[in-house]
Amino acid sequence: KAGVTQTPRYLIKTRGQQVTLSCSPISGHRSVSWYQQTPGQGLQFLFEYFSETQRNKGNFPGRFSGRQFSNSRSEMNVSTLELGDSALYLCASSLNELAILRAGELFFGEGSRLTVL
Amino acid sequence: QQQVKQSPQSLIVQKGGISIINCAYENTAFDYFPWYQQFPGKGPALLIAIRPDVSEKKEGRFTISFNKSAKQFSLHIMDSQPGDSATYFCAASKEETSGSRLTFGEGTQLTVNP
Repeated sequence: KAGVTQTPRYLIKTRGQQVTLSCSPISGHRSVSWYQQTPGQGLQFLFEYFSETQRNKGNFPGRFSGRQFSNSRSEMNVSTLELGDSALYLCASSLNELAILRAGELFFGEGSRLTVL
Repeated sequence: QQQVKQSPQSLIVQKGGISIINCAYENTAFDYFPWYQQFPGKGPALLIAIRPDVSEKKEGRFTISFNKSAKQFSLHIMDSQPGDSATYFCAASKEETSGSRLTFGEGTQLTVNP
């Protein structure tokens, strides 16, 4: 079974630009969540999508947004990039079912490393 | 507000030794406590997890000890091996309402010397 695939793996942007990151979950997984990883703040939850609906949202500004498609693939977008947005953005998928919001194993991708200059 | 505090930040042990990483949480609503292992260039991977209805869970060389009254839990790696060298993250969540929303600790960089 293929793992979680994230694209692009590396990208460099300048302040003020916007970026879109893509995530393909493990086949059959309907929950996709996004995390930001930085040396200073560690791993921080951005948002989670299940069946194309945002189910949870972390404490990030509105510049951070996401969506999920009918095939469970997800994208996240960051607009008006700031230097502090430089980070590794991790996508994770899981088998969490809507009826039972029970935490299960998260399968992480290798991440998209964003550098903002 | 950091709701899960992890220590130490880094740890060096000799091959065959015991590695111990500690975490403390503040939110008493948390009821799921996983540990994730991350190698350089890779995403975190679930190592072992515990729910507060038990005080200890063991899987191979890895053991979680959980103290609900102290709001603390720890990871013990027995017979540590150089291949265990990685960054370890503890995490916590409230299952019923939080789904995949994990609150992570700061991470511990473990180095096991041969």
